[in-house]
Amino acid sequence: AQSVSQHNHHVILSEAASLELGCNYSYGGTVNLFWYVQYPGQHLQLLLKYFSGDPLVKGIKGFEAEFIKSKFSFNLRKPSVQWSDTAEYFCAVNANSNYQLIWGAGTKLIIKP
Amino acid sequence: NAGVTQTPKFRILKIGQSMTLQCAQDMNHNYMYWYRQDPGMGLKLIYYSVGAGITDKGEVPNGYNVSRSTTEDFPLRLELAAPSQTSVYFCATQGANEQYFGPGTRLTVT
Repeated sequence: AQSVSQHNHHVILSEAASLELGCNYSYGGTVNLFWYVQYPGQHLQLLLKYFSGDPLVKGIKGFEAEFIKSKFSFNLRKPSVQWSDTAEYFCAVNANSNYQLIWGAGTKLIIKP
Repeated sequence: NAGVTQTPKFRILKIGQSMTLQCAQDMNHNYMYWYRQDPGMGLKLIYYSVGAGITDKGEVPNGYNVSRSTTEDFPLRLELAAPSQTSVYFCATQGANEQYFGPGTRLTVT
């Protein structure tokens, strides 16, 4: 069965630190990859996505992610985090025609001001 | 546009009670989904629908039922609530390139 692993359940950083959140998936075929974010008290919303083409994708608020097919990975990065980046981040993978997403367990990110 | 709306926001049920979680969308999307989110577990798909009149089971359908009589509405029914159904429930729709989520319903079964 397909699965998505997020390596860190909780991450605490200081403002201006660099961020990398890991995401690995298990599926050998063509995949669409997503990062969603849930800010405190808000809806889940799309941060960025990869369908095809350039494996380095840029999303909102200065986030980017790199798809490395050989490693089955789609890690999320931001060079300098802000206090407002405090949120829970979810990696998700779609590998079928019904748009069904398989979700990672999420990473809670806390940024200390 | 309201997007995806869910009611209620919070609910406490006693074991064995039943309830319906409401989900409505005004984006004219065909695909709709119900997820539950448990701490440290990510989102699990309960049921989904590819259009009015068509529904199918997801990963964790036991204890739930759905219907889809219109494009706009996709209610989730719990018939005999159990403590294992304590969770946060999210409804979502599929747009061109992403899923759009409602604000969630926090359900506690005691």
